[in-house]
Amino acid sequence: DQQVKQNSPSLSVQEGRISILNCDYTNSMFDYFLWYKKYPAEGPTFLISISSIKDKNEDGRFTVFLNKSAKHLSLHIVPSQPGDSAVYFCAAGNYGGSQGNLIFGKGTKLSVKP
Amino acid sequence: DADVTQTPRNRITKTGKRIMLECSQTKGHDRMYWYRQDPGLGLRLIYYSFDVKDINKGEISDGYSVSRQAQAKFSLSLESAIPNQTALYFCATSDLRDRVSRDTQYFGPGTRLTVL
Repeated sequence: DQQVKQNSPSLSVQEGRISILNCDYTNSMFDYFLWYKKYPAEGPTFLISISSIKDKNEDGRFTVFLNKSAKHLSLHIVPSQPGDSAVYFCAAGNYGGSQGNLIFGKGTKLSVKP
Repeated sequence: DADVTQTPRNRITKTGKRIMLECSQTKGHDRMYWYRQDPGLGLRLIYYSFDVKDINKGEISDGYSVSRQAQAKFSLSLESAIPNQTALYFCATSDLRDRVSRDTQYFGPGTRLTVL
């Protein structure tokens, strides 16, 4: 069973509007969540993270929201730009876990149209 | 210069051949990982290493082996390649000593492997 789910394989947004990417998780032991961005022919690059002690973290145009009771997080990009077009991966981890590994979702391909 | 490098970037090989993918990092991180990415399946963990003497299997280790030659080097081997190992392979690193971002992993550019 997938522990981290990104149910939308793709999302298309107009330039200047808000992009909202969603992620759900099932393991309540996860206490650290990250978003990665991936362009074709490149490795994933770290975008933003949030600890379970917070419900929001902001970095410029990117904001991650965490709803622990719903086991849901989302990434908001405002305003969206064509250069944001990429695949976005949600990942979750457990600081106290023995593995210290991340579980990744399958990704959402964002297309921002000019 | 890139902090995490992978060689080769592209490789085409035949079924049954042994192949090695190499990863080097200059970040000084203690942890290193190998993932594969398949279309529609996201990133799946093959092996991970917390230090030179510590190697652990990930979700999909069958058909693969690894070697941590030094803190900065982590190689992935396919002993006898098969077509369903055709995928993108990524190496990643993280730093347990960084209390703020110790679970943040930093990825290399990837190796595209095709097994005919």
